[in-house]
Amino acid sequence: DAKTTQPPSMDCAEGRAANLPCNHSTISGNEYVYWYRQIHSQGPQYIIHGLKNNETNEMASLIITEDRKSSTLILPHATLRDTAVYYCIVAYPGYNTDKLIFGTGTRLQVFP
Amino acid sequence: SQTIHQWPATLVQPVGSPLSLECTVEGTSNPNLYWYRQAAGRGLQLLFYSVGIGQISSEVPQNLSASRPQDRQFILSSKKLLLSDSGFYLCAWSVRGGELFFGEGSRLTVL
Repeated sequence: DAKTTQPPSMDCAEGRAANLPCNHSTISGNEYVYWYRQIHSQGPQYIIHGLKNNETNEMASLIITEDRKSSTLILPHATLRDTAVYYCIVAYPGYNTDKLIFGTGTRLQVFP
Repeated sequence: SQTIHQWPATLVQPVGSPLSLECTVEGTSNPNLYWYRQAAGRGLQLLFYSVGIGQISSEVPQNLSASRPQDRQFILSSKKLLLSDSGFYLCAWSVRGGELFFGEGSRLTVL
């Protein structure tokens, strides 16, 4: 079973920030939070990951709460091409890590 | 740079026929390898993962099997396909666990 809970769907206007929440209340101390997205009929694409500090890259920002029980993925200026299913996963990134479980994700619809 | 290839991209097979999907990774050594399945309108289901040659872990009971004959080769097989095996099959690899890199996917339709 997935260790994360996400809303099934969200809408966002083009050009606005999209804030995608994720709950992971049972996260353990050495587990990271990873975000992926899947555009229709393609393989998922890695976006960003973090442990406890906020992270930012060219695609998105990741805000992790101080107790690490939840996080938010922020797409600062959503475009139509950001319409996709977004998955939040918790995992330990050690060598030989075993299974990575995807939940059902959040379907983000960006509208003009 | 690392690349991942899986084939065939699409496949239409009758019920009861065998299946073989192949995945290869280039540009890395000793990767973790994964097979996921996505039924229509559903999330990703982990089927198998492997941390080394000949080491396969199965996540769900089914009529599918996986093999890893070489370090960077991962094969998904079935002796007799069922209608419920239809779906989008994705191979993925990682070196340090959480950061997965996915192939283009193989869409299987069982009739």
